Amino acid sequence: GESVGLHLPTLSVQEGDNSIINCAYSNSASDYFIWYKQESGKGPQFIIDIRSNMDKRQGQRVTVLLNKTVKHLSLQIAATQPGDSAVYFCAENLNFNKFYFGSGTKLNVKP
Amino acid sequence: NAGVMQNPRHLVRRRGQEARLRCSPMKGHSHVYWYRQLPEEGLKFMVYLQKENIIDESGMPKERFSAEFPKEGPSILRIQQVVRGDSAAYFCASSPKDSGHYEQYFGPGTRLTVT
Repeated sequence: GESVGLHLPTLSVQEGDNSIINCAYSNSASDYFIWYKQESGKGPQFIIDIRSNMDKRQGQRVTVLLNKTVKHLSLQIAATQPGDSAVYFCAENLNFNKFYFGSGTKLNVKP
Repeated sequence: NAGVMQNPRHLVRRRGQEARLRCSPMKGHSHVYWYRQLPEEGLKFMVYLQKENIIDESGMPKERFSAEFPKEGPSILRIQQVVRGDSAAYFCASSPKDSGHYEQYFGPGTRLTVT
């Protein structure tokens, strides 16, 4: 079956540094990907998305890179802030809006 | 524009009881999805519904679990005869009808504890 996994379960960064969170996906037919942020006790919050016909997309302080050759997705957060501390999930969409989520990476921002 | 609403936020049930989780999608959204999340894990897809139709229930356990999204009212996830292993956070998400964007908006979740 499809699976989405993350290389690093926990990432600690210093405030102001850039963060990179990685994600591997297994289904080459997936055509849409989303990064979600989940704070403790809350539901996932949309950060940024990318379609399979793109390899890079930028938002405010965030960039998502997609490498379809190796089925790899990354989220870059510039100038990481304490408010960025959360668990980050990548999710891939295969069909009918059904998403498969990875197990998450916990980002810990040290002041 | 209110977001996705879920209630209750916390639900405690004894083994063998029934749990009913409610989800009201965002205004204008007619697609609803239910996910389950165990502690320290990602979200696992359970079921995808449109009004009065179950589109994909491939992630739902075959027994004790059911879901509906009636023409009027919220979507309901029902768990009968709950067991301790059902303890988890259950999230509902919605997306707009005929959206080409596919983004799903999540509710705050219902945390079910089975004692």
